Amino acid sequence: GQNIDQPTEMTATEGAIVQINCTYQTSGFNGLFWYQQHAGEAPTFLSYNVLDGLEEKGRFSSFLSRSKGYSYLLLKELQMKDSASYLCAVRDRDQGGKLIFGQGTELSVKP
Amino acid sequence: EAQVTQNPRYLITVTGKKLTVTCSQNMNHEYMSWYRQDPGLGLRQIYYSMNVEVTDKGDVPEGYKVSRKEKRNFPLILESPSPNQTSLYFCASSLYGEGGEAFFGQGTRLTVV
Repeated sequence: GQNIDQPTEMTATEGAIVQINCTYQTSGFNGLFWYQQHAGEAPTFLSYNVLDGLEEKGRFSSFLSRSKGYSYLLLKELQMKDSASYLCAVRDRDQGGKLIFGQGTELSVKP
Repeated sequence: EAQVTQNPRYLITVTGKKLTVTCSQNMNHEYMSWYRQDPGLGLRQIYYSMNVEVTDKGDVPEGYKVSRKEKRNFPLILESPSPNQTSLYFCASSLYGEGGEAFFGQGTRLTVV
């Protein structure tokens, strides 16, 4: 089967660091994506991991461990505009390359 | 500019009145899909297409149809909309295979009364 779990909501303080975890189970893993989605808007791509390790892109980093079925998104120097939903998604080659989304983590950044 | 364009952005309609939501991409992507997003349920795939004339059901296909006559267009058709199809809909496209992040359209907020 397939399953993606991430926390429903998190709160953090402006300027701090926050880590959003994602665990997954899928038969034909072919990459993990993180998206940011502001309320009522389209998801926008943040990062992609297909090999184990850390990918860094400015204030955002994403980590993957395929053996553990685990990823995290790390956001540094939090800004108010980072308040959004963060979606973890796994591509499954056994399902025609389908992207399977978690339910998203609603992050609130407080002053 | 690379983009996925959906229309309309907002639509209020009545039960049973057929409607079509259009989706067009300019990136020559093979893979296109439709999602609906509902509170507490996340993004759920309705239908997807791996190339022209190749479509398949996603997780929640009931009540929807799609077609892929050209590579760039992937319309979503609701033959007889019902109130439980009130939702936020997104079209997405990507390259098929390794990598290839999905690019999303702006979304269509549909209300069926």
